[in-house]
Amino acid sequence: RKEVEQDPGPFNVPEGATVAFNCTYSNSASQSFFWYRQDCRKEPKLLMSVYSSGNEDGRFTAQLNRASQYISLLIRDSKLSDSATYLCAVNPSGGYQKVTFGTGTKLQVIP
Amino acid sequence: NAGVMQNPRHLVRRRGQEARLRCSPMKGHSHVYWYRQLPEEGLKFMVYLQKENIIDESGMPKERFSAEFPKEGPSILRIQQVVRGDSAAYFCASQGDSNEQFFGPGTRLTVL
Repeated sequence: RKEVEQDPGPFNVPEGATVAFNCTYSNSASQSFFWYRQDCRKEPKLLMSVYSSGNEDGRFTAQLNRASQYISLLIRDSKLSDSATYLCAVNPSGGYQKVTFGTGTKLQVIP
Repeated sequence: NAGVMQNPRHLVRRRGQEARLRCSPMKGHSHVYWYRQLPEEGLKFMVYLQKENIIDESGMPKERFSAEFPKEGPSILRIQQVVRGDSAAYFCASQGDSNEQFFGPGTRLTVL
């Protein structure tokens, strides 16, 4: 089983739709979780950290489910500019350690 | 407040040459990570460095690759005797006091 797994997509959704991505991780002791956004041929940009209690930033909501070992990202009212690849990342310790990335889920928002 | 800087942004080398990639972390950050991304693939961890120390190089190929982060100056990822399979985007990320890593724009290495 891969350390971090994501559905590669692509997810093609119309503008205004709500879309959700999941990301599963294998190390039950993992401490820190993140969602990054990567546009084509650009660097990953931190979208949000994922906290145990869940967190929301505008149209974006991230959740952590420790029991089932997955994190999720929900995007409401999708915009064309949301089209990108969304990478989840897991840090085993929460401190200074390598982060393992999923291969990303591609989102295409269609007019 | 400048972000993570990498140069060059694009690098073309012929097989057998050396490639040197540089990364300057964000101001106040002393932790640097290097990742490699092949086309249509995910980011793969290579090495984690603090100033003057290699902390984790578990993702580095055993031969031809080396990294350093001197007391003064940028972190350097060095690839000797490059081969076509080394063609990829190389990203560095820096980390400060929080547990979040911030990425530079990457260096795209093409080996002819």
